[in-house]
Amino acid sequence: SAVISQKPSRDICQRGTSLTIQCQVDSQVTMMFWYRQQPGQSLTLIATANQGSEATYESGFVIDKFPISRPNLTFSTLTVSNMSPEDSSIYLCSVESLARTVNTQYFGPGTRLTVL
Amino acid sequence: GQNIDQPTEMTATEGAIVQINCTYQTSGFNGLFWYQQHAGEAPTFLSYNVLDGLEEKGRFSSFLSRSKGYSYLLLKELQMKDSASYLCAVEGDYKLSFGAGTTVTVRA
Repeated sequence: SAVISQKPSRDICQRGTSLTIQCQVDSQVTMMFWYRQQPGQSLTLIATANQGSEATYESGFVIDKFPISRPNLTFSTLTVSNMSPEDSSIYLCSVESLARTVNTQYFGPGTRLTVL
Repeated sequence: GQNIDQPTEMTATEGAIVQINCTYQTSGFNGLFWYQQHAGEAPTFLSYNVLDGLEEKGRFSSFLSRSKGYSYLLLKELQMKDSASYLCAVEGDYKLSFGAGTTVTVRA
């Protein structure tokens, strides 16, 4: 399985500012995913990031609010722009990796964001 | 669209068996996953079903019926450390859609 790290692990930010979250994987992967998990809720996919192409955003998420970079096969960033308290959430990156014979998603430890 | 339903909470005693049901209606189906998520931690992969039937993996088993849009996760010989949220997720169109999760509380 892939080993995934995220920075920062948590942050408290002021309304109107932006935060960039980094995701690093210990092996090369084609597809990386960014999710949001709001308190007490399940995971919602924000976008899929493939190296060398624009990220694909899910309904309700736009590039201006959540710009994503994917400069190489082991790294990605998600920026939460012009933050409001509604953006307070846990943000997780995940990658697809082979678990025995199954391609499955492995998750990073998450970034806990609080917006005041 | 994707619609994935699972119970919100379940409680069981140590050593018992608990079955978590998941029903789904999705626009595509490439497999069904179960994840475990302890409070404050990332989800971890438990099991995968793509064909009908039961997949057994130690104390955990997962069942799938594609015709019924139904799966369950069976946890046997429950331990206190099994207290967690269990997420049902369906893969379609190269992405996962998650249910809201079932919080399982194991009591002594």
